[in-house]
Amino acid sequence: AQSVTQPDIHITVSEGASLELRCNYSYGATPYLFWYVQSPGQGLQLLLKYFSGDTLVQGIKGFEAEFKRSQSSFNLRKPSVHWSDAAEYFCAVGANTNAGKSTFGDGTTLTVKP
Amino acid sequence: KAGVTQTPRYLIKTRGQQVTLSCSPISGHRSVSWYQQTPGQGLQFLFEYFSETQRNKGNFPGRFSGRQFSNSRSEMNVSTLELGDSALYLCASSLDGFSNQPQHFGDGTRLSIL
Repeated sequence: AQSVTQPDIHITVSEGASLELRCNYSYGATPYLFWYVQSPGQGLQLLLKYFSGDTLVQGIKGFEAEFKRSQSSFNLRKPSVHWSDAAEYFCAVGANTNAGKSTFGDGTTLTVKP
Repeated sequence: KAGVTQTPRYLIKTRGQQVTLSCSPISGHRSVSWYQQTPGQGLQFLFEYFSETQRNKGNFPGRFSGRQFSNSRSEMNVSTLELGDSALYLCASSLDGFSNQPQHFGDGTRLSIL
């Protein structure tokens, strides 16, 4: 069964500092991987996706993620965090053979210090 | 292109009542999935519909049901509401639920059970 682990429940960074959010997955084949962001009271917004090819993918809002098959990881990074990036971030493995079902990690809450 | 629309945004019900939530997917998307989000359990998959047929179902009791109409709009019904049903219910749509297309989420319906 596929699973996603986000080891960090809560991360605090200073505005302007770099950010890395960790994600590890368990999946039998090549996964479809996603990062979503959720602001309070809102739904999930897609930041970026990985399906195949280049292992470094670029997303919206200046985010990028790197797929490392050997480590079963898909970590999210941003070189300089803005106060508006404070939110909850979810890593997900997409529906491949399981219709319409993405499997999500438990999320990482990002706090940005001024 | 309009996003995924969920109505209503907020609902307050009492135990024993039933409730119906509505979701309009992005135009052209035929797969609609429903998720329950709670602080303790995270994002849990309820079910997925495609072409008016339920293709996949999560591990929820029969009190949770859904349907999809010919225009791909979907409704979710919860009968005999319990306190534990208080949650944010998220709808997500994608082209076909299997492909390398990510799910796009609505802003959710916040259901509170008194």
